[in-house]
Amino acid sequence: GQNIDQPTEMTATEGAIVQINCTYQTSGFNGLFWYQQHAGEAPTFLSYNVLDGLEEKGRFSSFLSRSKGYSYLLLKELQMKDSASYLCASMDSNYQLIWGAGTKLIIKP
Amino acid sequence: IAGITQAPTSQILAAGRRMTLRCTQDMRHNAMYWYRQDLGLGLRLIHYSNTAGTTGKGEVPDGYSVSRANTDDFPLTLASAVPSQTSVYFCASSELAGGKEQFFGPGTRLTVL
Repeated sequence: GQNIDQPTEMTATEGAIVQINCTYQTSGFNGLFWYQQHAGEAPTFLSYNVLDGLEEKGRFSSFLSRSKGYSYLLLKELQMKDSASYLCASMDSNYQLIWGAGTKLIIKP
Repeated sequence: IAGITQAPTSQILAAGRRMTLRCTQDMRHNAMYWYRQDLGLGLRLIHYSNTAGTTGKGEVPDGYSVSRANTDDFPLTLASAVPSQTSVYFCASSELAGGKEQFFGPGTRLTVL
């Protein structure tokens, strides 16, 4: 079956670093995606990895290990506005996204 | 219009009624998608369209139908609503099928009583 696992909730302090992990198991693999979703809003695209390694984009970085079926999203210099849910999704062999339930990130001052 | 819009924003519906959720994009994207999002579950694909004139079934298509008469519009119809269809519905689009980035509409919150 297809499955995406990520923690339900995490808490971090403003200014700190947090790593949100995701493990995936899908029928085929065409990339790993991270989206951000603020409460009551639509998801917005953060990152895309299809090759192993780290992709850095400003304060956000995303890592992929295809052999381990593992990814993480790294958020640096946390700001209060980073409080949101972070959704991990894997694109399967049919080019459809299989989504995790999301990790709710709470930032404390 | 800028991006992708959905209507209505929210709706309360009696069970058994027919309802169409509207979705329009102005980005000339080929692919469009309908998802539902329920608490504690990931987004689940209902139906998709890789290009105008074609549609396909996603993970949870039962009780829903779609059409794609043109590039811009992708309506989702509930023929006879049931309480289990209470959810937040998101329409999304991408430049191509399997595209790197999907753009989401603001969502429709639907309650079926």
